[in-house]
Amino acid sequence: DAGVTQSPTHLIKTRGQQVTLRCSPKSGHDTVSWYQQALGQGPQFIFQYYEEEERQRGNFPDRFSGHQFPNYSSELNVNALLLGDSALYLCASSILGGSGEDTQYFGPGTRLTVL
Amino acid sequence: AQTVTQSQPEMSVQEAETVTLSCTYDTSESNYYLFWYKQPPSRQMILVIRQEAYKQQNATENRFSVNFQKAAKSFSLKISDSQLGDTAMYFCAFADSGNTPLVFGKGTRLSVIA
Repeated sequence: DAGVTQSPTHLIKTRGQQVTLRCSPKSGHDTVSWYQQALGQGPQFIFQYYEEEERQRGNFPDRFSGHQFPNYSSELNVNALLLGDSALYLCASSILGGSGEDTQYFGPGTRLTVL
Repeated sequence: AQTVTQSQPEMSVQEAETVTLSCTYDTSESNYYLFWYKQPPSRQMILVIRQEAYKQQNATENRFSVNFQKAAKSFSLKISDSQLGDTAMYFCAFADSGNTPLVFGKGTRLSVIA
C-alpha cells in the first residue's frame, strides 16, 4: 500500500519565480492538506482540498494556490517567490468523514530553497 | 485560536531508559484530537500516537504512551525502553477533528544516547 508521495524532493528557485509542488495521497484517501515547515519550527497549515475544492485555508497570501485533480492528487503553486518562502513543504492525506482514517498521514516533503 | 506549547526544546535520554516529553494546549472546545508526530532526520513526519479528548483512557502504542490530563490541558508522551531509532524531533499537534487543520507545537528534539 503506497503511502503519501511528493515530488520533487528538492527544488532551488530564485526570487520572483514560480514553483509547483506535487502530492499523491495514500491509496483510498480523498483529502489533501498542505503545510509549510520553516527551519526549526513546527508545520503551519496552508490549505486543504477535498472534492477538487479548497475546503479550508490558513493565514497565507494569495501567492499560494492549489489544485486537486479527480484522482485526488494535488498541486501547490507559489508565485512571486520570496526568500521567506524557503521551507519544507509537507503534504498530508486523509479521508473526510468516517472513523479511524481521518488521521492525517504525511509525505516526505519537498525542500524549497529560494535564492 | 488554539495554541500548542512544547516547553522542552531539547532532551536527551540513555538507551533503554524512559523519557517524558511535555505538551500543553489551549482550546475552548470540549471535543478534539491530540497527536504526537515524530520527524527523524529523513524529514518524514510519522504518526506516533493519537488521543481523542472524549476518551478518558490514555492511548498506548507499544513503547509509547500518553498522559492526557483534560482539565489541565496537558498531553505528555512517555517513551519507554528508549532506542537509538527514537532520535528525532517530536511534535505535539491539536485538531478540532481528525480532518481539520493540525496546529503544531515548535517541537522537542530528542537524542537517545548509547
